[in-house]
Formats: sequence, C-alpha cells, structure tokens
Amino acid sequence: NAGVMQNPRHLVRRRGQEARLRCSPVKGHSHVYWYRQLPEEGLKFMVYLQKENIIDESGMPKERFSAEFPKEGPSILRIQQVVRGDSAAYFCASSPRLAGGNTGELFFGEGSRLTVL
Amino acid sequence: AQRVTQPEKLLSVFKGAPVELKCNYSYSGSPELFWYVQYSRQRLQLLLRHISRESIKGFTADLNKGETSFHLKKPFAQEEDSAMYYCALSDSPGGTSYGKLTFGQGTILTVHP
Repeated sequence: NAGVMQNPRHLVRRRGQEARLRCSPVKGHSHVYWYRQLPEEGLKFMVYLQKENIIDESGMPKERFSAEFPKEGPSILRIQQVVRGDSAAYFCASSPRLAGGNTGELFFGEGSRLTVL
Repeated sequence: AQRVTQPEKLLSVFKGAPVELKCNYSYSGSPELFWYVQYSRQRLQLLLRHISRESIKGFTADLNKGETSFHLKKPFAQEEDSAMYYCALSDSPGGTSYGKLTFGQGTILTVHP
C-alpha cells in the first residue's frame, strides 16, 4: 500500500519559469492538501482539494499559484513565473473520505523541494 | 486567527530522562490538537491526537484549555525518540473538521545516550 507519492523530489527553476509539482494520494483517499514550508518555518496550509473541486484555497497566494485535482491522475500544484521567494519544500497530504467528521489525521508525502535560482 | 507556538526550537535530553515538548495555541473555537513527528529520513506522521487520549510510544499530551497548552511528555526518553516534533491545530468550520492544520514551527528533540 503505497503512501502519498510526490514528484519531483527536487526541482530547480530559474526566475520566470514555471514549476509543476505532482501528488498522488494514498489509494482510496479523495482529499488532498498542499502545504508549504519555508526555511526555518513550520508547514503552512495552502489549499484543500477533492476530486475536481477546490474546497479551500485560503492559503494560496493570489497570483501565480494554482492547484487542481482532476478526476483522473495526480493533483498538480502549479507555480507560474517563479521568484526566489517561492523556494521552499512543498508537501502534499491526503486523507480518507469524510465520514461524520474527520479524525484530522493526514498522510504526508516526502515533499518536493523547489529551488529558484 | 489561530496560532500554534512551540517555543523551543531545539531540545536535548539524556536517555532515561523525562522530556516535555511545549506547545501553546490560540484559537477562538473548540480546538482539536495533534502532535506529528518526523524521524530522520522518514515522512511526517501522526503521533497522537488529543481526542483519543491515548499514549503512543510512551508519549502523552493533555489539552489544558485554561493555559491553552498541549505539551507532549514522556517520562523516560529513548534514543529512538530523536526527531522533529510538530504541534498542530485543526480548523473546524461548521463543526466538521478536516485536514486544514495550523502547525507550530517544530522542535528538534535529541536524546543522547
């Protein structure tokens, strides 16, 4: 039973390029979350998605960032025109279908480390 | 807005000594709190949640609403407890919680032999 799979594990981009980070949740999990960890900081919530729907994107920067979780395939976090401040570790997590209230447990991937030169 | 504070970035103890990792929170509603742990070269994983009132790997954590704290404790630390520990609070809009967590900055625990 594979856990959350993220790729690439490491990504280097020059300023102005696009970064695409992929996340395949635990099999059977329909809820995906993206978190960002800047150097020396804790994880910060970015977005919560279910299949084909964005449920909560309150943590997403207003510009350049977008996320999707299509019916088929992995969830994608896309960052357009990257800047140095986007350098961070991006973690994906998944949880199973809600059933009368989630326990709150998240299953995390190993993270994708983005470096912007 | 909710906030989670872990005042200690680093904590070192010797094997067999008691350990306490501090966590304070601010939240206007009824909080759900968790401790997550990341061992070396492993993924972040759930250690325990306050609603379960369970002891995992000898660790316990009691929610103190008066002091708005959720400190993690273990009476006798082991070398394998060395890891990064994150305290987290769950947002519960409309009474239905989901995985939108607010994390503290983390505490690196080192247990020396």
